[in-house]
Amino acid sequence: QSVLTQPPSVSGTPGQRVTISCSGSSANIGSNTVDWYQHLPGTGPKLLIYSNNQRPSGVPDRFSGSKSGTSASLAISGLQSEDEADYYCAPWDDSLNRPVFGGGTKLTVL
Amino acid sequence: EVQLVESGGGLVQPGGSLRLSCAASGFTFSNYAMNWVRQAPGKGLEWVSGISGSGVTTYYTDSVKGRFTISRDNSKNTVYLQMDSLGVEDTAIYYCAKYPGNAMATATFDYWGQGTLVTVSS
Repeated sequence: QSVLTQPPSVSGTPGQRVTISCSGSSANIGSNTVDWYQHLPGTGPKLLIYSNNQRPSGVPDRFSGSKSGTSASLAISGLQSEDEADYYCAPWDDSLNRPVFGGGTKLTVL
Repeated sequence: EVQLVESGGGLVQPGGSLRLSCAASGFTFSNYAMNWVRQAPGKGLEWVSGISGSGVTTYYTDSVKGRFTISRDNSKNTVYLQMDSLGVEDTAIYYCAKYPGNAMATATFDYWGQGTLVTVSS
């Protein structure tokens, strides 16, 4: 059972915009920055967003992140078939004294 | 180009031991903290352990404390995870993940390996 809550699944059609939410507490999201990872089957996870809303080099600007209070969100616009993957939010947790991951959200592109 | 290549996974009986290795290239290894993150079948990601660039400071998640030991050999650009007293709950893909610096109070892993599968079963 993760200390962070993500919807198990979301879906959208090509070109659509989808959002994935991540709900936490004052010990994690409320006091630390949030990162987002994209995980395709058979590969290592990929850093998608860091420090709430920063994109590493090479990540398309279709991906954006935001944070408010104890919640964070990942938005994907102009949905493409290759975006079909699992997505995880991750902040540091001051109570557990370690990084924590959300339960993951499976994105299906219909 | 940063590369992380894990090895050492396999099938082991409950109570057994296994040592994972992660060979790194493409960056000055000793300047960066390193981690192990795992994913059990059908489950999400779970951080397991981290080690500072010098190897002096180590961290573990509660469920592996006293059973797993993380270490590194900066002359070989390799980080290890010694896993003892393995249980079925340790069955997972184990990923090596790099921090963007030597600071460890972060959830930002900027590069990951492909993972190595550990199966604990009789």
